[in-house]
Amino acid sequence: KAGVTQTPRYLIKTRGQQVTLSCSPISGHRSVSWYQQTPGQGLQFLFEYFSETQRNKGNFPGRFSGRQFSNSRSEMNVSTLELGDSALYLCASSYNRVGESGANVLTFGAGSRLTVL
Amino acid sequence: TQLLEQSPQFLSIQEGENLTVYCNSSSVFSSLQWYRQEPGEGPVLLVTVVTGGEVKKLKRLTFQFGDARKDSSLHITAAQPGDTGLYLCAPGGSYIPTFGRGTSLIVHP
Repeated sequence: KAGVTQTPRYLIKTRGQQVTLSCSPISGHRSVSWYQQTPGQGLQFLFEYFSETQRNKGNFPGRFSGRQFSNSRSEMNVSTLELGDSALYLCASSYNRVGESGANVLTFGAGSRLTVL
Repeated sequence: TQLLEQSPQFLSIQEGENLTVYCNSSSVFSSLQWYRQEPGEGPVLLVTVVTGGEVKKLKRLTFQFGDARKDSSLHITAAQPGDTGLYLCAPGGSYIPTFGRGTSLIVHP
C-alpha cells in the first residue's frame, strides 16, 4: 500500500516568488491536512481539505492557500515568498476528517523542504 | 488552542540507557498521541492513549497517560540508535491539530 507522496522533496526559491507543493494521499483517504515545521515554531497546522473543501484553517496569512482535487490529491501554494517561509512543509492524509473521531489517524508524507533566499 | 509543553527539549544519551520524556498541559484531553519523526521523514504515529492512568507498551517504549488526562510520559528502556528522532505529542481528536515542540533524542552507539 503506497504511502503519502509529496513532491518536490526539495526546492529553492527567492523572495517574492510563489511555490506550489503537491501531496498524493493514501488511496481511499479523503482528508489531506498541511503543516509547516520550523525549528523556531515547531509543527503548525495550516489547513485541511476534505471532499475538495477547506474544512479548518490554522493561523497563517492569506498568502498560504490550497486546494483538493476530485481524486483527493492536494496542492498548497505560497505566494509572495518571504525568508520566514523557509520550512519543511508536511502533508498528512486520513480517512476521516480531522477531529471527526476521538483520535485522528494521520499518515504523514516525508515533506517538501523549501528554502527561500 | 491547547498548549502542550514537552521536556526535555534535547536529550543525548548512550546506547543502553533508559530515558523518560514528558508532555504536559493545563488542558484535559479526550486522548493524546505520540509521534516519532526520524531525520528526513514525516512524523509516524506511535500510540494513542485514551483513558486516564492508561499504560501502553510498544516493545521497549512505555507510554502513560496521566490520571487527570492532562499529561503523558514516554519511557524508553535500553535505548538504541534506531530510537533517534524527534518525539512529538498531540491531542488525539483536535480539529486543529496542535503539536508540542517535541523532544529531540540522539542515541549514540
